[in-house]
Amino acid sequence: GNSVTQMEGPVTLSEEAFLTINCTYTATGYPSLFWYVQYPGEGLQLLLKATKADDKGSNKGFEATYRKETTSFHLEKGSVQVSDSAVYFCALSDRINDYKLSFGAGTTVTVRA
Amino acid sequence: GAGVSQSPRYKVAKRGQDVALRCDPISGHVSLFWYQQALGQGPEFLTYFQNEAQLDKSGLPSDRFFAERPEGSVSTLKIQRTQQEDSAVYLCASSLAWGQVGHTIYFGEGSWLTVV
Repeated sequence: GNSVTQMEGPVTLSEEAFLTINCTYTATGYPSLFWYVQYPGEGLQLLLKATKADDKGSNKGFEATYRKETTSFHLEKGSVQVSDSAVYFCALSDRINDYKLSFGAGTTVTVRA
Repeated sequence: GAGVSQSPRYKVAKRGQDVALRCDPISGHVSLFWYQQALGQGPEFLTYFQNEAQLDKSGLPSDRFFAERPEGSVSTLKIQRTQQEDSAVYLCASSLAWGQVGHTIYFGEGSWLTVV
């Protein structure tokens, strides 16, 4: 079956630091890959996505590249802000049941001023 | 508001009690999803509706769980004879059309269920 493994947290950073959250996946075929973010007191929201190998998703200064050879989709941001404090979830959907998301366990990120 | 609305936001149920969780999707959204999120875990798929049709219920953990969307809008997730392992956040989500690739899914804030 499909599964997503992401870096365990919590992660605590200072403002303007570089952030990486590792994500690897197992899936049949060529899944679509996503990063979702949950800010305190809010619902999950899509941060970025990539639908085929070597695609790069980007949004709000975050980037992730779909790496088929390493089955990875690591999230990066060059300079984090306090407002980036949130829980980040890596997720995938396969081509057959593309309405169904499989999520990782989530990584809590806290950015300190 | 314009987002996915869920109620109740918090529910404490005694073991054995039945509960009903309501989801109001974004107006006009054809697809509706329910996910279960245990503490410290990622959401897990429960079921999917396209309009009033329940196209996939493979994630429902037992026959105590039942979901409906009779008029293709509001949905209710019902849990009968609740057990402690049912304690979780239940997330509802909707999208304009089925499938992830072309359409964004919008999540509600969730209904937190605690079974005591």
